[in-house]
This record gives sequence, structure tokens and C-alpha cells, in this order.
Amino acid sequence: AQSVSQHNHHVILSEAASLELGCNYSYGGTVNLFWYVQYPGQHLQLLLKYFSGDPLVKGIKGFEAEFIKSKFSFNLRKPSVQWSDTAEYFCAVSLLTDKLIFGTGTRLQVFP
Amino acid sequence: GAGVSQSPSNKVTEKGKDVELRCDPISGHTALYWYRQRLGQGLEFLIYFQGNSAPDKSGLPSDRFSAERTGESVSTLTIQRTQQEDSAVYLCASSLEASGGTEAFFGQGTRLTVV
Repeated sequence: AQSVSQHNHHVILSEAASLELGCNYSYGGTVNLFWYVQYPGQHLQLLLKYFSGDPLVKGIKGFEAEFIKSKFSFNLRKPSVQWSDTAEYFCAVSLLTDKLIFGTGTRLQVFP
Repeated sequence: GAGVSQSPSNKVTEKGKDVELRCDPISGHTALYWYRQRLGQGLEFLIYFQGNSAPDKSGLPSDRFSAERTGESVSTLTIQRTQQEDSAVYLCASSLEASGGTEAFFGQGTRLTVV
């Protein structure tokens, strides 16, 4: 069965620090990859997604993620975080015609 | 509607009672998902509906859990004989197509507390 691993459970950063959150998945076929974000008190929303093409995808709010097929990874990055990026971040994977499977999430706290 | 709507937003129930949670997906979305999010944990897949296909029930944790969907509209998640470990936020999401490649839109969730 497909699974998603997020190795960083809780990350604490100061503003302007760089961010990288790891995501690995366990399926070798063609997959679609997503990062969702849940800001405090809000519902989950899409940050960015990869279906095909350029493995470096840009999302909202300056986030990007790189799909590395050989490593089964889809890590999320941001060069300089802001206090408003404090949230929980979820990586998700789906097969082309199947359900979305989520990782356990990474809680990011950014201090001014 | 404009987004995925879930009701109630909060539910407190006594152990052993049955509860029913409702999800109104975005109009025209053929796929509908239910997830459970326990405190401090990730999203646990429960069940997936896709059009007229048989639902994927592989994530339901026990036979106390069941879900129905009427066509491409409302879905209800029923938990019978609730237990304290059922306390969680239950999230519903819908997406436009069968393919997992389209964005899933989430509701605000139903916070269930079993006392």
C-alpha cells in the first residue's frame, strides 16, 4: 500500500531562516504529489501540486517543491520564512485514479 | 455551494451513542473523501467515493463506521456505539474528477468529542 513519510514532526525557525520539509512516498508508479497547509483555526488548503513536467513546482506564498523521482521525494522549500507561515504542513500522494494519502504532518513555528 | 460544508461543526456525545456527520461537497465534484484527524496527528484516510463506483472503504477502522453518499451530492458518516478513541476532527473533502490529480477542497471539519 502506498504511504507517505514526513520526517520532521515539529520545526521551529526564526523569521528569515530557510525552510525545507521532507516528504517521501513509497509507491513506484506514476503519482501525483501535493503539499497542503493548515493555518491555525483554518481549514486545509492547497499549497502546491505536481502532476507532470518540470519537477520544480512553485506554489503560493513563495513556496516551492522539487520532485526527485529516484529518491521518491517531494520536499517543500522556502528561502525565507515569515511569522505568518506558522502552520501545519501536510504532504499527500495519489495514484492517478485513486485516493489521496496524507503524511502525518509537520508543525512549523516561526518566531519573529 | 461555494465550498465544502460540514455539519455539525462540533458534536459532543456520550459513549455508546450513535452519531451522524454530514458533508455537502462542492457542486459537480464527483469524488468525495472522509478523513479523521486525531489531536496532534495527521490525516487518516477513512473512505473515498468516486461517482458510481463502489466506494473505497479500506480506511474505515471498524464496522462501527459506515458512510453513504447519494449520487454526487451529500454524504453522511455514521459512527455507531461511539468510543472515546473516536474523538477527533472528521474532515470531508471533494474534488472535481476521478483522478487524484485534481485538487481536493476541504471542509472545516466536525470536531467530535465522546465523553
